[in-house]
Parts: sequence; C-alpha cells; structure tokens
Amino acid sequence: EPEVTQTPSHQVTQMGQEVILRCVPISNHLYFYWYRQILGQKVEFLVSFYNNEISEKSEIFDDQFSVERPDGSNFTLKIRSTKLEDSAMYFCASKKGQGFTGEQFFGPGTRLTVL
Amino acid sequence: AQSVTQLDSHVSVSEGTPVLLRCNYSSSYSPSLFWYVQHPNKGLQLLLKYTSAATLVKGINGFEAEFKKSETSFHLTKPSAHMSDAAEYFCVAPQGGAGGSYIPTFGRGTSLIVHP
Repeated sequence: EPEVTQTPSHQVTQMGQEVILRCVPISNHLYFYWYRQILGQKVEFLVSFYNNEISEKSEIFDDQFSVERPDGSNFTLKIRSTKLEDSAMYFCASKKGQGFTGEQFFGPGTRLTVL
Repeated sequence: AQSVTQLDSHVSVSEGTPVLLRCNYSSSYSPSLFWYVQHPNKGLQLLLKYTSAATLVKGINGFEAEFKKSETSFHLTKPSAHMSDAAEYFCVAPQGGAGGSYIPTFGRGTSLIVHP
C-alpha cells in the first residue's frame, strides 16, 4: 500500500542552523501539507501546497520557513535559522484531490530537536 | 471560525469494555469532521469522517462516531476495546483559509490507554 515517507526520523541541530526536512508524498497525490506538534501540544497546521505554490499558510509559517517541491517526488520544509522553540515533531501529509472531504495521508514524522 | 475541543486528555479502559472519546466543535454550519488515530512512531491514520451524509459514521477497526448537531458533538465510540486500540486520537475539523481552501484544525488529542 502506498504511504508517505519522511526523512530523517530524528534530526538534532544547533540553534541558528538551517534544517531541511524531507517528505515523499504518495505518487499520484496533488496536495501537500506540513504540520508540527510541539511535545504535549496539539497538532498545528503550517502550510499547504498545490501546483507548485503555497495555497494556505498559518501564522507559524513565517519568513524562517519555506517549502519546495524540487522534483516530481520530494516535498521539503526548510527552516533557515532554527530556534529552540522549533523543536517539535513535523508531519508531512498528502491528498489526492481538492476539497476537505478527501483523506489526507500522513507520514510518520520527523522529530526535530534544536539545542 | 471552527474550533474543536477534545474533552479528555487521557481515557483509560479495560480490554473488552466500551470506549468513548469526546469531541465538541463550534461552528455556525454543519461541518466536515474527522477522527484520526496515531500509534506510537507512526503517522496519523484516518479512522472515519462525517461529511453531511449519515449522522452515524462507521470507521475502521470497529470505531464509529455520531454527529449530533443539537449537542455540537462528534464523539468516537467502540463497543469493546482491544489492546491494539491504545493510541492517540485526534478530532479534526476544517476552517476556511485566507487563500480560499481549508485548514485542518486539530483537537488537542486524547490518549487511549487499554488495560488487560
């Protein structure tokens, strides 16, 4: 069964460093998402991406964040200069069609630890 | 704006007993609502969804949820808990984004603990 994959599973970085989190969505999906979950808190939407551009972004997704689909398979989230408060689990998701009734398929997450 | 409240951070049951995970939403219209489950070290998996069709929705693994507009609730139930049901459960509802598409709003999650 197709699934969303994410690498790495755990990333440790120093404050101020750039990190790139990688996701491979399901191959025939067109909509892509990033979420984060700070330990003990709820899952928060970061950004959605369709047709090579951002379709929605939350207040969390400031200028430090960027997303890219550099080729036909990868979907990346870059954090330019990490802060301690960026430590969280980051989930990627993909969806086949438009609208909200379709199922989003989630990856297993990348745990980012900023020291 | 849509908001989702999961009333319990933890629910503890014995194997074989019923499960009730509570979710209330706030909206001025009939929303779409979802329940997702997250097992340890796994991504979130869709359990079931309500999309303005039948108010009683059946999902995977024997779970079901009933949409009650009068109570603004979408509680998740299962008649008999299994050890493998131990996981984190999230109630999710969409809210409109500035770009014209939907932004999922998650409840804080309920951790289901199943005792043998």
